[in-house]
Amino acid sequence: DAKTTQPPSMDCAEGRAANLPCNHSTISGNEYVYWYRQIHSQGPQYIIHGLKNNETNEMASLIITEDRKSSTLILPHATLRDTAVYYCIVRVGWESGGSNYKLTFGKGTLLTVNP
Amino acid sequence: DAGVIQSPRHEVTEMGQEVTLRCKPISGHDYLFWYRQTMMRGLELLIYFNNNVPIDDSGMPEDRFSAKMPNASFSTLKIQPSEPRDSAVYFCASSLREIDGYTFGSGTRLTVV
Repeated sequence: DAKTTQPPSMDCAEGRAANLPCNHSTISGNEYVYWYRQIHSQGPQYIIHGLKNNETNEMASLIITEDRKSSTLILPHATLRDTAVYYCIVRVGWESGGSNYKLTFGKGTLLTVNP
Repeated sequence: DAGVIQSPRHEVTEMGQEVTLRCKPISGHDYLFWYRQTMMRGLELLIYFNNNVPIDDSGMPEDRFSAKMPNASFSTLKIQPSEPRDSAVYFCASSLREIDGYTFGSGTRLTVV
């Protein structure tokens, strides 16, 4: 799986948009971008994933650049409860065949939302 | 749905004792994953199952660790004998399909003294 690079920490003001960047310059054509977060003392929580197109759900938006070498997770109106470690992960999809669908977590970005 | 259910939430045991961690995945999910999290090593995948069959156990640290999934609604992770370096939070997760996001349980915090 391609490696990802994320800043170790970021701050955001409550009510503002939080934009979390992720670099995955070695991503392959069949690899998806996944985002998870982990609030202190809880299990990781799935947020969103995408392949090429931008994606949006009730939690966040995922913007993937046209060359797919980087992406940004956007929390439109951050709240104090969004303070967490955010993980960007790239992983092969089912179309690649085989059986290796492992999700490998890196160190992530600690997002601190300030009042 | 109650989500992925893990038990116990906390376990304290003495070195050399057998430890069994339990997981009930979300009903209908075909994939089950066991992860371990420590400060030093972060989140590590230990093993995962598809339709109750172990697919990849390359993350299992050594022979002291074993995992089973006797049916679609139950899995166990056993450590025998336990050692202090096994102290960690162990998470179980499940997913419907391989492409879907995983749903994680609340974890079991294991302390081996």
